[in-house]
Amino acid sequence: SQQGEEDPQALSIQEGENATMNCSYKTSINNLQWYRQNSGRGLVHLILIRSNEREKHSGRLRVTLDTSKKSSSLLITASRAADTASYFCARVTGTASKLTFGTGTRLQVTL
Amino acid sequence: DTAVSQTPKYLVTQMGNDKSIKCEQNLGHDTMYWYKQDSKKFLKIMFSYNNKELIINETVPNRFSPKSPDKAHLNLHINSLELGDSAVYFCASSLGLKNTEAFFGQGTRLTVV
Repeated sequence: SQQGEEDPQALSIQEGENATMNCSYKTSINNLQWYRQNSGRGLVHLILIRSNEREKHSGRLRVTLDTSKKSSSLLITASRAADTASYFCARVTGTASKLTFGTGTRLQVTL
Repeated sequence: DTAVSQTPKYLVTQMGNDKSIKCEQNLGHDTMYWYKQDSKKFLKIMFSYNNKELIINETVPNRFSPKSPDKAHLNLHINSLELGDSAVYFCASSLGLKNTEAFFGQGTRLTVV
């Protein structure tokens, strides 16, 4: 399969805690992106990390990329109930412009 | 002000019917996509167009025919609908082929009965 695998499939934490989601893939990438999907809605782009980058930050989000292990992680710090959503990693490979999505992590943040 | 809009949001239809889903983006992007999300939330690309030209056709049955009248629109026509076509279909756009950050529409939930 060319899909990425995300881990865990589901994660339940309390508000204020940090959430870490991992994404593994099999082929070399140009870049890797993380998206959020609220229930019944479209996907929203969160952050893009290029293959020559190791870490990127955006607000409470921190993404790391380890190309030797073919893995990436998304850390959400000080989580809020509004962070409850599914999170997907998506890889761009070769010259194709398509996104190849992982299986997603369902994050539940409770008060 | 919706950046990528698709209609309808919900579509319930009988097997064998033909239906269309429309998508429009007002972002000035060159590249548009159709993705299918199944009941397990798995997202897979179906088509991409760049400046009205088909770039990716990802082994989709030929009952599915995309049409791009101009670079701001990418419609999806489905012939002879089958039960297995039930899914959420997402339209998306990006600046261009080399800029892959995608903006997604709200999705069209298609239910074939």
